[in-house]
Amino acid sequence: NAGVMQNPRHLVRRRGQEARLRCSPMKGHSHVYWYRQLPEEGLKFMVYLQKENIIDESGMPKERFSAEFPKEGPSILRIQQVVRGDSAAYFCASSPLRRIAQGPQHFGDGTRLSIL
Amino acid sequence: KNEVEQSPQNLTAQEGEFITINCSYSVGISALHWLQQHPGGGIVSLFMLSSGKKKHGRLIATINIQEKHSSLHITASHPRDSAVYICAVLSYNTDKLIFGTGTRLQVFP
Repeated sequence: NAGVMQNPRHLVRRRGQEARLRCSPMKGHSHVYWYRQLPEEGLKFMVYLQKENIIDESGMPKERFSAEFPKEGPSILRIQQVVRGDSAAYFCASSPLRRIAQGPQHFGDGTRLSIL
Repeated sequence: KNEVEQSPQNLTAQEGEFITINCSYSVGISALHWLQQHPGGGIVSLFMLSSGKKKHGRLIATINIQEKHSSLHITASHPRDSAVYICAVLSYNTDKLIFGTGTRLQVFP
């Protein structure tokens, strides 16, 4: 998965701290998707962004979670005041196309977030 | 009931065996994806299909739209095939991927 770069690969935070997860899409891709994989569960859609726009955030928890994809730089998933239940693997995927039915998504290696 | 169900959840095989992983779904879809997740967690897209059958090396994916079912076959399995295989459908209504919980495959030499 050299194309989509996520960092850090592992992140440890104490309860109440903030977590920032970064995703740099493949070159030429302007569509970014964030997914969360809870232990023993399947991946779940969180948010879909294009440059400078949140297109669909229907999978984001209502509080503490936010995402952005600025004109310059990576997409950021931000979790404020983390709790133990936020421990999960967070994956980013990118696509060059508006409708992902037209092609496969390219996934990053994920960020494994652990809350102490 | 999950909208995407995979079976089996866990699968062990001897090297060389023919492997089948099944995926059933209950929503209208635009496409179905098979993904591979290795220990260490990176996800690789294996196939995207909306009808019929696709083959890549030792991997074959089939889909039956009428029966809302897809299968992933691995011929002549090898220990390096050990991974979690995930079925994901692109919902026609929401244009979002819905994921199964994965099938954990271990191939022993």
